[in-house]
Amino acid sequence: AQSVTQLGSHVSVSEGALVLLRCNYSSSVPPYLFWYVQYPNQGLQLLLKYTTGATLVKGINGFEAEFKKSETSFHLTKPSAHMSDAAEYFCAVSGGSNYKLTFGKGTLLTVNP
Amino acid sequence: NAGVTQTPKFQVLKTGQSMTLQCAQDMNHNSMYWYRQDPGMGLRLIYYSASEGTTDKGEVPNGYNVSRLNKREFSLRLESAAPSQTSVYFCASISPYSNQPQHFGDGTRLSIL
Repeated sequence: AQSVTQLGSHVSVSEGALVLLRCNYSSSVPPYLFWYVQYPNQGLQLLLKYTTGATLVKGINGFEAEFKKSETSFHLTKPSAHMSDAAEYFCAVSGGSNYKLTFGKGTLLTVNP
Repeated sequence: NAGVTQTPKFQVLKTGQSMTLQCAQDMNHNSMYWYRQDPGMGLRLIYYSASEGTTDKGEVPNGYNVSRLNKREFSLRLESAAPSQTSVYFCASISPYSNQPQHFGDGTRLSIL
C-alpha cells in the first residue's frame, strides 16, 4: 500500500521568497516519487522525479526536491518565487511493479507581488 | 500533452445518459490509466490497464467500465451518468520502464445535470 500527504492545501508567498511545499509518503517498497504542476484548466506536467541514486533532484523551472528516506519526505523547494509559479502542485508516489501513481490532494501556490 | 489525446474536451450530460470518453497514445506504452480529479481530492485512479487485453480496478471504479481496445486506445464508459460523476477525467500512459513518469492527456471536463 502507498499514500501521500501534502501538508497545507494552500501556500502563499511573496515574489522572490523561498517556496517550500511539503510532501510525506508511505510505501511498502522503495518508492519512486514525483512532483507534478497543474496550471488552471490544463493537464499535469512533470516537474521532477526521484527513482534511485542522488537524493537531491533538480527539475524544470528552478525547482528541486530532496528524498529523505528517514523522514519519508520529498519536499519541493525553489529559492525565489516568480509570479508564473502560481499553480497547483501534486506530489505522487509509485511503488512495485504495477506502476500505479498515488497522488496527494494537492497544494495551491499563490505568489503575491 | 504530446502523445496522449483525449476526446472530448468538454461534455454536458443529463442524469441517466451514457457516454464514452476516448483516450489514445502514440508512444507505444504498455500501461494506461484513467483518473478523476475533484477539488481538494487530488487525482484518484478509476481503472488501469497494465497491458493490452487486461484491465483492473483502481480506487474508485463504481459506475464506470473500461475497454482496452488495442495498445493505443483505452476508453472509459459511464453507463448511467450520475451527478456525483461530474469531474475532470484524465487519461495517462506509461512506458515499459518502471522509472518513467506517466504522461497525461489534457483532460475531459464532464458535467452531469
